[in-house]
Amino acid sequence: QKEVEQDPGPLSVPEGAIVSLNCTYSNSAFQYFMWYRQYSRKGPELLMYTYSSGNKEDGRFTAQVDKSSKYISLFIRDSQPSDSATYLCAMSGGKLIFGQGTELSVKP
Amino acid sequence: DARVTQTPRHKVTEMGQEVTMRCQPILGHNTVFWYRQTMMQGLELLAYFRNRAPLDDSGMPKDRFSAEMPDATLATLKIQPSEPRDSAVYFCASGFSGGADTQYFGPGTRLTVL
Repeated sequence: QKEVEQDPGPLSVPEGAIVSLNCTYSNSAFQYFMWYRQYSRKGPELLMYTYSSGNKEDGRFTAQVDKSSKYISLFIRDSQPSDSATYLCAMSGGKLIFGQGTELSVKP
Repeated sequence: DARVTQTPRHKVTEMGQEVTMRCQPILGHNTVFWYRQTMMQGLELLAYFRNRAPLDDSGMPKDRFSAEMPDATLATLKIQPSEPRDSAVYFCASGFSGGADTQYFGPGTRLTVL
């Protein structure tokens, strides 16, 4: 079993939809939880990160962490075609452990 | 606008040849990471350095891969001899140790071994 599990998708939604991306993990020692966005043929870029449980909002993006369930989510409101990318969750316990990435396509 | 830079961006080589990839981390960052990304395996950590010292290279095939940081502004990843299964995108990332361990990625080197 991998330390971090992420549904690879692909996920296709219409423009304006609310998108929910999720990861589960097994190591309770993880303290920091991140989301990276990777456009095609580019390097991953840090989107946002949270510490421990709770929510964090940044514009149209909301990250949620539920440590009791070992479950993290990224919500994208009013999704745009420019949000089409692969989203990778990552967790920190000394070094980053990445999920497989979920490929998202937002159709106009 | 501080960024991680990587060279070359693309490399096509023949099996058995040596490949050297270079990375310039963001000035002031004290950790450097090398990753390999493939469709099948996703992002795999190959090696990482803190304050130029190698801390973990357990993800790297030791017989053919080597990673070094000759100085704070340069990290290298070498493959000798290269094999077709090494074809992948290789990313370098840098960051600060401790806390969130957030990392900032370079644009990658797309390697094709024929």
